[in-house]
Amino acid sequence: EAQVTQNPRYLITVTGKKLTVTCSQNMNHEYMSWYRQDPGLGLRQIYYSMNVEVTDKGDVPEGYKVSRKEKRNFPLILESPSPNQTSLYFCASSLQGRGFHGYTFGSGTRLTVV
Amino acid sequence: DQQVKQNSPSLSVQEGRISILNCDYTNSMFDYFLWYKKYPAEGPTFLISISSIKDKNEDGRFTVFLNKSAKHLSLHIVPSQPGDSAVYFCAASERDDMRFGAGTRLTVKP
Repeated sequence: EAQVTQNPRYLITVTGKKLTVTCSQNMNHEYMSWYRQDPGLGLRQIYYSMNVEVTDKGDVPEGYKVSRKEKRNFPLILESPSPNQTSLYFCASSLQGRGFHGYTFGSGTRLTVV
Repeated sequence: DQQVKQNSPSLSVQEGRISILNCDYTNSMFDYFLWYKKYPAEGPTFLISISSIKDKNEDGRFTVFLNKSAKHLSLHIVPSQPGDSAVYFCAASERDDMRFGAGTRLTVKP
């Protein structure tokens, strides 16, 4: 089944404790992206990657890191999480960055930083 | 700076009637517009899209209309079904940049 898999689904952590949210897709998509969803703000892009070893900042990259060493994986790293990073996170992939065919999203990771 | 706006946080319609979800945008360089549907505890799923060179695209019960002069698009669902109850996100893309609206929660009552 073609899908984007995120782990974990839920995570509660403490301020300053490094964490990684994994994202993997099995569709051989070139484009991958991370979004966060906050009430009233919709989905805001954190980072995106056009292909292996190519990553770029989105609208809200502060406090996040990403890497794209393999085509299928695009982990999101929070080096020192803070409470304002409490949010619902989605990983997405697409054949290309162009939006016409839409993105395939993962099921989301709900992160709480206390 | 929200380039894509969905001004109605929620909408409630009766089963069998038409649902109309609206979206406004500010960037005239957007070349594709999309609608996504999101159920609780799931990621958004792509529903329908339209190119900026068209004014209408239809897929079954779902039709998207684009009015470029007004920078406005809408999603029509006819007839609405209880299973359509979800949050709908409008999105617009320019090259590799896709912007999302805040979403509209649609409730279809039996």
